[in-house]
Amino acid sequence: DTEVTQTPKHLVMGMTNKKSLKCEQHMGHRAMYWYKQKAKKPPELMFVYSYEKLSINESVPSRFSPECPNSSLLNLHLHALQPEDSALYLCASSQAGGSYNEQFFGPGTRLTVL
Amino acid sequence: SQQGEEDPQALSIQEGENATMNCSYKTSINNLQWYRQNSGRGLVHLILIRSNEREKHSGRLRVTLDTSKKSSSLLITASRAADTASYFCATDALTGFQKLVFGTGTRLLVSP
Repeated sequence: DTEVTQTPKHLVMGMTNKKSLKCEQHMGHRAMYWYKQKAKKPPELMFVYSYEKLSINESVPSRFSPECPNSSLLNLHLHALQPEDSALYLCASSQAGGSYNEQFFGPGTRLTVL
Repeated sequence: SQQGEEDPQALSIQEGENATMNCSYKTSINNLQWYRQNSGRGLVHLILIRSNEREKHSGRLRVTLDTSKKSSSLLITASRAADTASYFCATDALTGFQKLVFGTGTRLLVSP
């Protein structure tokens, strides 16, 4: 199985809502990532988990809260978001360690904040 | 910022023609990768070239890397309509192996 799955595909939420994005992979990868991508822009790294521990946080606002419950799952909890947070949120995974590892991406969650 | 710059921003060609995209980056790297993204979807890894390699091939793809100029190019030969997508280069800094920084991307349109 070389697939990264993400749910939901689309999410519309108000600024007072709490929601979660989910990501799952069964490739045995021990590094997982969250990216944010605005329209016609490249993906921007948000968080990296390595062996279920947060290893990189790119100064992301606290209204985004990542969680890695186990080696196959990655969540992104959303609370009190702003309209400018509307974007495509991409999850990816890779082998951990080393520098020659391709990342496998999920299809993304299209988030709209009203 | 380490973000790479890609040119052209957009490229429109006919099926059967070759497409060349260029990527420039700012800092020393371990490797450079190229990804493809179909509209509004996830990215697909195409090819990885290490900093000590100068050229790499994969099917219809040819990638070159010039570390002295901090630049790379992606050549797609005999393009097909299905190659229509955005193409991004991605680099990692010498520290922080897991941190990929993506270039600005090239939008390729291949017309039948």
